[in-house]
Amino acid sequence: DTGVTQSPTHLIKTRGQQVTLRCSPISGHKSVSWYQQVLGQGPQFIFQYYEKEERGRGNFPDRFSARQFPNYSSELNVNALLLGDSALYLCASSLGVGVTYEQYFGPGTRLTVT
Amino acid sequence: GDSVTQMEGPVTLSEEAFLTINCTYTATGYPSLFWYVQYPGEGLQLLLKATKADDKGSNKGFEATYRKETTSFHLEKGSVQVSDSAVYFCALSDKGVDRDDKIIFGKGTRLHILP
Repeated sequence: DTGVTQSPTHLIKTRGQQVTLRCSPISGHKSVSWYQQVLGQGPQFIFQYYEKEERGRGNFPDRFSARQFPNYSSELNVNALLLGDSALYLCASSLGVGVTYEQYFGPGTRLTVT
Repeated sequence: GDSVTQMEGPVTLSEEAFLTINCTYTATGYPSLFWYVQYPGEGLQLLLKATKADDKGSNKGFEATYRKETTSFHLEKGSVQVSDSAVYFCALSDKGVDRDDKIIFGKGTRLHILP
């Protein structure tokens, strides 16, 4: 089975630019979550989407937004990039919602802001 | 708010040594506890979990017991291998506090095993 896929693998952006990151969940999974992992730190929760609706949002500014499509794939958008947005962005998918459903993580997109 | 504190690394051990990585947590509800592992160049993988007090999670020779009285979930392995070299994250999910299933991670502990 194909795991969670994310694209692109790496990208470099300039301060002030906008970026879109993409995530395809495991087939049949309806929940997608996004995490930011700054170098040397643990991942931090950004968003969770389930059945195309936002289920939760972490402590991130409004520059961060996301959506989930009818095929359950998801995009994370970050506007007005700052140097501090440089991180590994992880997507995780699960069959449903609730702690009994394991979240499976993708390999991540490494964003560098210069 | 909820949080996870784990021992700082890096931790360097010789092959076949005993491993302990300490983890304590703070939570307002009834959290499930996890250990995730991140191998070089790979994504996060769930190593083991425990969903209630006194549960023991185990996988690949690793074990951790959910201790509510000490709010701890220490990771142990009796005999480590070079292939265990990775970054280990202690984490919790505190269902019942919010609608979402967010996982709260510790900062991670880098483990180096020497042959």
